[in-house]
Amino acid sequence: QKEVEQNSGPLSVPEGAIASLNCTYSDRGSQSFFWYRQYSGKSPELIMSIYSNGDKEDGRFTAQLNKASQYVSLLIRDSQPSDSATYLCAVNSYSGGGADGLTFGKGTHLIIQP
Amino acid sequence: DAGITQSPRHKVTETGTPVTLRCHQTENHRYMYWYRQDPGHGLRLIHYSYGVKDTDKGEVSDGYSVSRSKTEDFLLTLESATSSQTSVYFCAISDTSNTGELFFGEGSRLTVL
Repeated sequence: QKEVEQNSGPLSVPEGAIASLNCTYSDRGSQSFFWYRQYSGKSPELIMSIYSNGDKEDGRFTAQLNKASQYVSLLIRDSQPSDSATYLCAVNSYSGGGADGLTFGKGTHLIIQP
Repeated sequence: DAGITQSPRHKVTETGTPVTLRCHQTENHRYMYWYRQDPGHGLRLIHYSYGVKDTDKGEVSDGYSVSRSKTEDFLLTLESATSSQTSVYFCAISDTSNTGELFFGEGSRLTVL
């Protein structure tokens, strides 16, 4: 059973600070890694994907991947109240094709306090 | 956001009745997926499709069937709904180059009494 673990939170961060969200996964052969944001009552929305070790930056978001430690993280700089949402980590064990090998974590609830 | 739509968005039904949820896309994407989301479980894959009449089972397929007769439509059917199938159902699509970059529909909230 492939597992993706996230702290459910809530994680409370002051506005303007850095929010750090963490995810660990069990399948060492996992190939691709994703972060989705889900506002309450809405559908998940892809915000970051990362495929190789290291950091990937996109605006205020940075995804970090360490395959040796089986660890993925998402940093949100200059956190805004609009960043308050549940963040889902997803890991794909397949090297190509579709997303049927995708396993989602249960999500971390992030609250940005004004 | 109009690239993928689900219907109905909300449905209340009784145990033992059949239910069909529809997912319609205008993106001409090859891959389509049905997920359910429940508190404490996260998103779980029910069935998926790699093309017209090409479907396969996901992690939690028992009690569900699917059909894809056209590229744009992916139907999820509960032959005889049970209370354990009360959930929020999401349809998702991806193109041939993606390995997990999904675009989700708005979701369908199903309550089985």
